[in-house]
Amino acid sequence: GEDVEQSLFLSVREGDSSVINCTYTDSSSTYLYWYKQEPGAGLQLLTYIFSNMDMKQDQRLTVLLNKKDKHLSLRIADTQTGDSAIYFCAGGEYSSASKIIFGSGTRLSIRP
Amino acid sequence: IAGITQAPTSQILAAGRRMTLRCTQDMRHNAMYWYRQDLGLGLRLIHYSNTAGTTGKGEVPDGYSVSRANTDDFPLTLASAVPSQTSVYFCASSPSSGRTTGELFFGEGSRLTVL
Repeated sequence: GEDVEQSLFLSVREGDSSVINCTYTDSSSTYLYWYKQEPGAGLQLLTYIFSNMDMKQDQRLTVLLNKKDKHLSLRIADTQTGDSAIYFCAGGEYSSASKIIFGSGTRLSIRP
Repeated sequence: IAGITQAPTSQILAAGRRMTLRCTQDMRHNAMYWYRQDLGLGLRLIHYSNTAGTTGKGEVPDGYSVSRANTDDFPLTLASAVPSQTSVYFCASSPSSGRTTGELFFGEGSRLTVL
């Protein structure tokens, strides 16, 4: 089955770019997702990329997908204090969200 | 505001007690899910329901049961709580059936401590 791995912590200076990395094992994943969890809240979908895409950009967010290496990254440009959160990488099939597998989450902290 | 409502927000429970976590959605989504979140382990699927009247087991179903009598409600029951069930529980839904992105919509979570 799918296995999704990511580092647990990342600390960046305010205004710098943050890059959160993720590796996955199941190449049949149709979609790859980034969810954001703010303190005391549930997860919210931040962005997603279809498996036949290499890159997706949405304002300050850039998602890169390297299918050969099964590597997914999320770049946040001009990181702000409001970006402090846990970011979860997830992979799955469009046919059923019950097949989505989440990584352990990366806690992003912003230092002044 | 439309979305998912979970109750209780937080609960401390003695081992061996029965507990039901409630989840209600008003988005008319077909599918609903229960996850537990543990530090370093991310989210793990406990049970899910693709449509009212059906349920399925996820990755970590033991010690938990669910029912789906209607579209809106998906309660999670711990028949006899144990300390290893101390966790934060998230209910989620998705408008599955058909071609969707598989996006999940989450509740705010229920923090359960079993002593």
